[in-house]
Amino acid sequence: GQSLEQPSEVTAVEGAIVQINCTYQTSGFYGLSWYQQHDGGAPTFLSYNALDGLEETGRFSSFLSRSDSYGYLLLQELQMKDSASYFCAVSGYSTLTFGKGTMLLVSP
Amino acid sequence: DVKVTQSSRYLVKRTGEKVFLECVQDMDHENMFWYRQDPGLGLRLIYFSYDVKMKEKGDIPEGYSVSREKKERFSLILESASTNQTSMYLCASSLRQGRNEQFFGPGTRLTVL
Repeated sequence: GQSLEQPSEVTAVEGAIVQINCTYQTSGFYGLSWYQQHDGGAPTFLSYNALDGLEETGRFSSFLSRSDSYGYLLLQELQMKDSASYFCAVSGYSTLTFGKGTMLLVSP
Repeated sequence: DVKVTQSSRYLVKRTGEKVFLECVQDMDHENMFWYRQDPGLGLRLIYFSYDVKMKEKGDIPEGYSVSREKKERFSLILESASTNQTSMYLCASSLRQGRNEQFFGPGTRLTVL
């Protein structure tokens, strides 16, 4: 089976940097993805790491260490609109297994 | 603009009713998925399909079935709805190869009374 662990809630202030960690136990690992979901909205894709290291996309970066079964999403220069739930997801051959999500609350 | 659409945004049904949830994607994706999302449990995969008329069970298929007669359409069927199937249902699609980026529909919030 597959299991993922991520914090249930993280709080931060505007302009700050926040890191959301994700550890996983899985078989058939192809990569680690991150999705963002605003309240009442659909999940949307943020990033994907297949190899170890850091991937940067604007204010968001994602990191993967396959040997440690660990990854994180780094959000910089936080804005109020970043308040949302963030899900890590392990990629199998065709499917994703999602973590339970981290609710990020950004305050002024 | 790529799009995944779901037939209803909100749905209320009675226990024992047969329920159909429809999903259509316009991206010519091979893979389609049905998830349910419950507070504190994240997204859980019910069924997926990697081709027309093909289907595979996900993590929680009990009480559900699916149909994929055309590439763009994937239906989720609750044969006899029960109150524990009250949930948000999300459809998604992706290309067969690549990084598994999934595109989600807006969701159907189903209430079973």
